[in-house]
Amino acid sequence: DTGVSQDPRHKITKRGQNVTFRCDPISEHNRLYWYRQTLGQGPEFLTYFQNEAQLEKSRLLSDRFSAERPKGSFSTLEIQRTEQGDSAMYLCASSQSGERGGNEQFFGPGTRLTVL
Amino acid sequence: QKEVEQNSGPLSVPEGAIASLNCTYSDRGSQSFFWYRQYSGKSPELIMFIYSNGDKEDGRFTAQLNKASQYVSLLIRDSQPSDSATYLCAVNKATGNQFYFGTGTSLTVIP
Repeated sequence: DTGVSQDPRHKITKRGQNVTFRCDPISEHNRLYWYRQTLGQGPEFLTYFQNEAQLEKSRLLSDRFSAERPKGSFSTLEIQRTEQGDSAMYLCASSQSGERGGNEQFFGPGTRLTVL
Repeated sequence: QKEVEQNSGPLSVPEGAIASLNCTYSDRGSQSFFWYRQYSGKSPELIMFIYSNGDKEDGRFTAQLNKASQYVSLLIRDSQPSDSATYLCAVNKATGNQFYFGTGTSLTVIP
């Protein structure tokens, strides 16, 4: 399977615990994005990497959220001290930069987080 | 003002009809426009992208872009029950690489 993969697919945790999600992008893609989606809403941008560099981060993103992409391949998203409001689907997407265009993002299956 | 606006629907069309989905965006300098299909409980799936004014056709799908009116649409011809899903419009603004998504339009194709 050469698509974007995410692990785990589901996570249930108690409020106050830390959680970490992993995303493996399409192998030749150099851009990686994290989004959060709640019911009835479109995906909300969290952060974006080009290779290993984190180039953009949403101003709405709490400092409890951190993301890394240490070798420009897979990425992790960590949420510290989870709150019930963090319950959502966390989506990862990747794309390949190039000339104008070539910016199409492909999504992974998502990680559904439930905070009790 | 939201970056991307869509009518949430629901939009219902009979099987075989044309479904028309619309999206407006606020940043006049936006460069890239995308349509995603999302089935309930699944992640978004890219179905069309368009960068230039005019129409772009791919099978039963046609994307239309009018930058002057800041409007992008998706037409689905010969609608099938399997097209029943939420359709998300996404826009890449001129500054940075952040994508903005609308809230989606729910489409139901009635057999």
